[in-house]
Amino acid sequence: EDQVTQSPEALRLQEGESSSLNCSYTVSGLRGLFWYRQDPGKGPEFLFTLYSAGEEKEKERLKATLTKKESFLHITAPKPEDSATYLCAVRVTSGTYKYIFGTGTRLKVLA
Amino acid sequence: DAGVIQSPRHEVTEMGQEVTLRCKPISGHDYLFWYRQTMMRGLELLIYFNNNVPIDDSGMPEDRFSAKMPNASFSTLKIQPSEPRDSAVYFCASSLLIGPQHFGDGTRLSIL
Repeated sequence: EDQVTQSPEALRLQEGESSSLNCSYTVSGLRGLFWYRQDPGKGPEFLFTLYSAGEEKEKERLKATLTKKESFLHITAPKPEDSATYLCAVRVTSGTYKYIFGTGTRLKVLA
Repeated sequence: DAGVIQSPRHEVTEMGQEVTLRCKPISGHDYLFWYRQTMMRGLELLIYFNNNVPIDDSGMPEDRFSAKMPNASFSTLKIQPSEPRDSAVYFCASSLLIGPQHFGDGTRLSIL
């Protein structure tokens, strides 16, 4: 069964304290891994797409990486405005496309 | 540019009533997705359309749920009859080709 697991469930960081969020997956027919940010009361906001192992994408303080079994979202010197829930999702194909989301990591950055 | 627009933002109704959620995708996008989000199960894909045609509805929980896309700029998700376990936040998303999805801000549905 295709599965996506994110860890940790919740993370509290001091401003400036770098860390990484993990998204591990067991799927067949991977056609992309996506990272989203979700603020309370809002829909998920797209951050990155990764397609193949070894690929990396960066945006401001965020960097996403991908291996054959997992993806990491590295947050360098976070600020309080980085506080949000970070979701990863995989797109798989088995006839039609399917999107499977992890349950997210709730990040709180303290000033 | 206007993003994905969903209405209503909040809906509270009694068990057994019909509920209709509405979505206007981003202009030019050819894929439209309906999701349900709960604390227990996270985001679950219910159904998606390509060029107004339903492609995969395997995530629709049961026959009480139905979705339509009569044209490229409008879609509905209907629950009839509604039950308390349907309470959740429902999101609509759209994408161009099979690229990243852009989400609306959701409809928070409470069935009493």
